[in-house]
Amino acid sequence: GESVGLHLPTLSVQEGDNSIINCAYSNSASDYFIWYKQESGKGPQFIIDIRSNMDKRQGQRVTVLLNKTVKHLSLQIAATQPGDSAVYFCAEGPYSGNQFYFGTGTSLTVIP
Amino acid sequence: DTGVSQDPRHKITKRGQNVTFRCDPISEHNRLYWYRQTLGQGPEFLTYFQNEAQLEKSRLLSDRFSAERPKGSFSTLEIQRTEQGDSAMYLCASSRQGSYNSPLHFGNGTRLTVT
Repeated sequence: GESVGLHLPTLSVQEGDNSIINCAYSNSASDYFIWYKQESGKGPQFIIDIRSNMDKRQGQRVTVLLNKTVKHLSLQIAATQPGDSAVYFCAEGPYSGNQFYFGTGTSLTVIP
Repeated sequence: DTGVSQDPRHKITKRGQNVTFRCDPISEHNRLYWYRQTLGQGPEFLTYFQNEAQLEKSRLLSDRFSAERPKGSFSTLEIQRTEQGDSAMYLCASSRQGSYNSPLHFGNGTRLTVT
């Protein structure tokens, strides 16, 4: 399944499928990006980050892709599990700075 | 677990009352942030400290809001004369800041309801 961030804030996928969550950022000066996962009643939890000198970074079951040309960021989750159900936020900021700006978020629901 | 700790988890107050929230960051982190989050939205920056110095405040932070970090460790956020519009989740985050940015580590927030 695939979302388009602000335009499609909800995404439902079958357990075991891959998920793609998209984020469009606005500040061309941002050079550091982070994905967070937020479960109901909890604070955002760090998933993975990427600097602008990279276009891809992989973690455990997650991959972040960065396209600086179109200011687009995506989070791919492999073999999505019910525990992945949450709201996912991208955050942008300057790598040498001190401020992070968060997008609206995408709600991911995993169907068993 | 030595993550970011916030107290209380929930606070219900009547309009016009003052409230104070506390945040204990990860011990080796020198930066501490306060964010506000309303339902369905991403966190919005309020203010941040480097050690005990408050270095930046958002325009969202009206003069009814004040934050302190007196010894560069825990921080408090006080809201005076609360209004219904102050109802939100208040999130605290910390990071270890050197020359470069690093991910924020968030607490589980204090949910404020103003009646």
